[in-house]
Amino acid sequence: QVQLVQSGAEVKRPGASVKVSCKASGYTFSNYVLQWVRQAPGQRLEWMGWINGDNGKTKYSQKFQGRVTITRDTSASTAYMDLSSLRSEDTAVYYCARDGKEEGGFDPWGQGTLVTVSS
Amino acid sequence: SDELTQPPSVSVSPGQTARITCSGNALTDQYAYWYQQKPGQAPVKVISKDIERPSGIPERFSGSSSGTTVTLTITGVQAEDEADYYCQSEDSDSTVIFGGGTKLTVL
Repeated sequence: QVQLVQSGAEVKRPGASVKVSCKASGYTFSNYVLQWVRQAPGQRLEWMGWINGDNGKTKYSQKFQGRVTITRDTSASTAYMDLSSLRSEDTAVYYCARDGKEEGGFDPWGQGTLVTVSS
Repeated sequence: SDELTQPPSVSVSPGQTARITCSGNALTDQYAYWYQQKPGQAPVKVISKDIERPSGIPERFSGSSSGTTVTLTITGVQAEDEADYYCQSEDSDSTVIFGGGTKLTVL
């Protein structure tokens, strides 16, 4: 079955960077776009950006432009989300999700990775 | 940028019908998607393209669309449907946008 498995929880100091991985299985990685979404405690879902699994093209939310970099390693069927200059407001659960192509929407989602930013 | 507006909360008794709305200008020419999120879990898509129910989603979940508003309807609500529900679409810049979420309480 299609599955996305993310890396484990991270604790970072303000100003540091974090890199979260998302390993895909059960489908051809290069045939789909992978999305990244985050959710701060008690807050709404917030879109961060996507990467095309085939050509590596990316699109980022304006809010994170300059701080986020999404990459992929097709040989490992894995996408990565790198967020720099972390601040306390970046404490959140970070999700990857497969774009639905013709169906649209995001499905499935990874299990989420909690990133805590604290001094 | 465009926004999607949802009511913060909806409450219904078991067996009743729950309706959750999502409003925004983007919805006039972009599809909406609905996600169910239970505490501590990742979201799950329950409606695609305004009205389509993905395989594996119970028939009691349905979607509709009219102008700038889309509606998620859960007919015959069950206790297990208690969750947060989010709508999602895209704005004119192909930027993904989410609604603020609606907490469905089953009384």
